[in-house]
Amino acid sequence: DAGVTQSPTHLIKTRGQQVTLRCSPKSGHDTVSWYQQALGQGPQFIFQYYEEEERQRGNFPDRFSGHQFPNYSSELNVNALLLGDSALYLCASSIRGGVGTEAFFGQGTRLTVV
Amino acid sequence: AQSVTQPDIHITVSEGASLELRCNYSYGATPYLFWYVQSPGQGLQLLLKYFSGDTLVQGIKGFEAEFKRSQSSFNLRKPSVHWSDAAEYFCAVVSNSGYALNFGKGTSLLVTP
Repeated sequence: DAGVTQSPTHLIKTRGQQVTLRCSPKSGHDTVSWYQQALGQGPQFIFQYYEEEERQRGNFPDRFSGHQFPNYSSELNVNALLLGDSALYLCASSIRGGVGTEAFFGQGTRLTVV
Repeated sequence: AQSVTQPDIHITVSEGASLELRCNYSYGATPYLFWYVQSPGQGLQLLLKYFSGDTLVQGIKGFEAEFKRSQSSFNLRKPSVHWSDAAEYFCAVVSNSGYALNFGKGTSLLVTP
């Protein structure tokens, strides 16, 4: 059983560009959450998708947007990249999300903005 | 908002020695608490979780944690550390909304021979 898979594993982009990161949830999971982990910091919640809708959003600007597809996979889009967007982006999947559910994390996508 | 604090940024222990990593949570209703481990360049792996009930929780890899409401703590322990335990450890609490995890800044564990 494949766990949470993310692609690509590494990415280098230039300031001002746009980027799309992808996540396939663990089999049987229907909820996807995205986190940003800056170097030396704990992960910070970006948003969660359930039933193809954004259910909750963290304290991130509108440059960060997402999508969930009918097969539960998800994309994270970041527009107008800033140097400060350089981080490890983690995807987590769960069943229905919410209190009491266990989130499984992918290996992450390392984004470097130059 | 529910939050956690990990007071120790770095901890060094000798292989075979016992380990305790500290985590303090903010006041709120019964918190839902987690400990995750992250090896270099890897994602997060769940070690254990506390939702309710028995305050001593057993996890994977020989780890345990004790929930102490009086001290607002959820410390992670292991009786004998192995070199492979060297990693970054994160304490997390479910947010007020119930959908997000709020993580601490992490504690980096170094294991010496």
